[in-house]
Amino acid sequence: DAGVTQSPTHLIKTRGQQVTLRCSPKSGHDTVSWYQQALGQGPQFIFQYYEEEERQRGNFPDRFSGHQFPNYSSELNVNALLLGDSALYLCASSLGDTSMEQYFGPGTRLTVT
Amino acid sequence: ILNVEQSPQSLHVQEGDSTNFTCSFPSSNFYALHWYRWETAKSPEALFVMTLNGDEKKKGRISATLNTKEGYSYLYIKGSQPEDSATYLCAPDSGGYQKVTFGIGTKLQVIP
Repeated sequence: DAGVTQSPTHLIKTRGQQVTLRCSPKSGHDTVSWYQQALGQGPQFIFQYYEEEERQRGNFPDRFSGHQFPNYSSELNVNALLLGDSALYLCASSLGDTSMEQYFGPGTRLTVT
Repeated sequence: ILNVEQSPQSLHVQEGDSTNFTCSFPSSNFYALHWYRWETAKSPEALFVMTLNGDEKKKGRISATLNTKEGYSYLYIKGSQPEDSATYLCAPDSGGYQKVTFGIGTKLQVIP
């Protein structure tokens, strides 16, 4: 049973570019949440997708957008990259609207130069 | 957005020592508290989910308590082992579709 997987593992982009990160949830899970962990901080909630719709959003600008596909996998897109977007991006999956158990992927390390 | 504080930020203990960390959070709008263990180069792993005031949870040598009225939770590790070396994150949950707020974590290093 595969857990949560994320791709790519590492990524280097230039300011102003756009990036897409991908996440496949744990088998049987239908909800995907995305978090950003900047250096020296705890993970910050970006948004959550359920039934292919964004259900909840944290305090992030519209440059951060996402998508969930019918197979429950998800993408995180960031436009007009800033140096401050350099961070570890974590994906977590869960089942339904329960907050009781989230499973995390290993993350994608994004570096913006 | 919840203000979450964890202390200490880092901790070095000798193998066999027992240790504990603190997570403080606003007591209003409380729904649940999550504890995660995050080993280097791995995914964060859920340890406990606690919901009721006075809750105590235990998993092997690790246990946690919760006080929702005063807004704190303690995580205890008995007889620390090198494999316990990790960052321990707490995340209060105010409900509303899993909108959890993570603390900065306590980084534990157990010295053999």
